[in-house]
Amino acid sequence: DAGVTQSPTHLIKTRGQQVTLRCSPKSGHDTVSWYQQALGQGPQFIFQYYEEEERQRGNFPDRFSGHQFPNYSSELNVNALLLGDSALYLCASSLAVGAREQYFGPGTRLTVT
Amino acid sequence: AQSVTQLGSHVSVSEGALVLLRCNYSSSVPPYLFWYVQYPNQGLQLLLKYTSAATLVKGINGFEAEFKKSETSFHLTKPSAHMRDAAEYFCAVSDPNQGGKLIFGQGTELSVKP
Repeated sequence: DAGVTQSPTHLIKTRGQQVTLRCSPKSGHDTVSWYQQALGQGPQFIFQYYEEEERQRGNFPDRFSGHQFPNYSSELNVNALLLGDSALYLCASSLAVGAREQYFGPGTRLTVT
Repeated sequence: AQSVTQLGSHVSVSEGALVLLRCNYSSSVPPYLFWYVQYPNQGLQLLLKYTSAATLVKGINGFEAEFKKSETSFHLTKPSAHMRDAAEYFCAVSDPNQGGKLIFGQGTELSVKP
């Protein structure tokens, strides 16, 4: 049973560029949440997708957007990258919104130079 | 609004000693509470969760936590530390009525000395 997978593992971008991160949920899960973890900090909630719609959003600017596909996989897009966007981006999946347990992927390490 | 405070950004114990990682939460509704562990360059692994059943919760790797409503605490303990327990530990809270969004504390780095 495959767990949550994320790609790429690492990437380096330049300020002002755009980036797309990808996540495949655990088998059987239909809800995907994205978190940003800056160095030395706890993860912060970005948004959650269910039934291909954004259901909840944290305190992140509109430069952060996402998408969920019919197979429940998800993308996180960040436009006009800033140095402060450098972080570990974590994807978590669960069975339905409000589930008691979320499973996290290994994360994508984004470095903005 | 919900929040989590983890007391102590770094805790160091000797191998075989008691592990105690402190977590206090704030929530206007009965919360769900979680402890996650993060090893270097990895994602988060769920250690244990409290979802309004038994207040003493047992998790993986010998860890347990007790939900104390009167103290708004959910401290993580392990009777005897092992070298492999060295990692970053995060306490998190969620509102059962708010779709599972997790609010994390800042984390506590656990070091285990031989």
